[in-house]
Amino acid sequence: GQNIDQPTEMTATEGAIVQINCTYQTSGFNGLFWYQQHAGEAPTFLSYNVLDGLEEKGRFSSFLSRSKGYSYLLLKELQMKDSASYLCAVNQAGTALIFGKGTTLSVSS
Amino acid sequence: DGGITQSPKYLFRKEGQNVTLSCEQNLNHDAMYWYRQDPGQGLRLIYYSQIVNDFQKGDIAEGYSVSREKKESFPLTVTSAQKNPTAFYLCASGGLSSYNEQFFGPGTRLTVL
Repeated sequence: GQNIDQPTEMTATEGAIVQINCTYQTSGFNGLFWYQQHAGEAPTFLSYNVLDGLEEKGRFSSFLSRSKGYSYLLLKELQMKDSASYLCAVNQAGTALIFGKGTTLSVSS
Repeated sequence: DGGITQSPKYLFRKEGQNVTLSCEQNLNHDAMYWYRQDPGQGLRLIYYSQIVNDFQKGDIAEGYSVSREKKESFPLTVTSAQKNPTAFYLCASGGLSSYNEQFFGPGTRLTVL
């Protein structure tokens, strides 16, 4: 079967660092995506990992361990505008994605 | 401006009626996708298409139908056979490589009364 797990909710304060974990069990693996989705809006692309290791992009970084079926999204210097849902998605084969249920992050001042 | 559009943003229909949601892209993407999102749920794939006149079922295709007569357009019909059609529907497009990100439209919130 296929399964992607993320925590349902997380809270953090402005300026802090937060790590959102994602574990996956899928029949194939062609890469893992992270998307950000503000309430009522479309998801927007944050990062893509296909090789083990850390990919850094400004305040956001994403890590992948294929042997452990594990990824995390690291958000630094949190801002209020980072309050959103963060979606982990796996490409098993081809181009279609399997999404986790998303993690809702609330940032407070 | 390149992008992906969905209309309308909000749609209300009576139970038993079929309804068609539009999705248009001018990004010259080969692949297009339809997802459904319910509260507390992730995105679930309904149908996708990688080439004109061809499409594949996703995980929850029952009660839905699609067509891909033009590269730019991928309309979704929610039929009366769909038991629980009220949801947020998202259309996306992207390239054919596994590393290509998907670009999402603004979504259509369908409410069936």
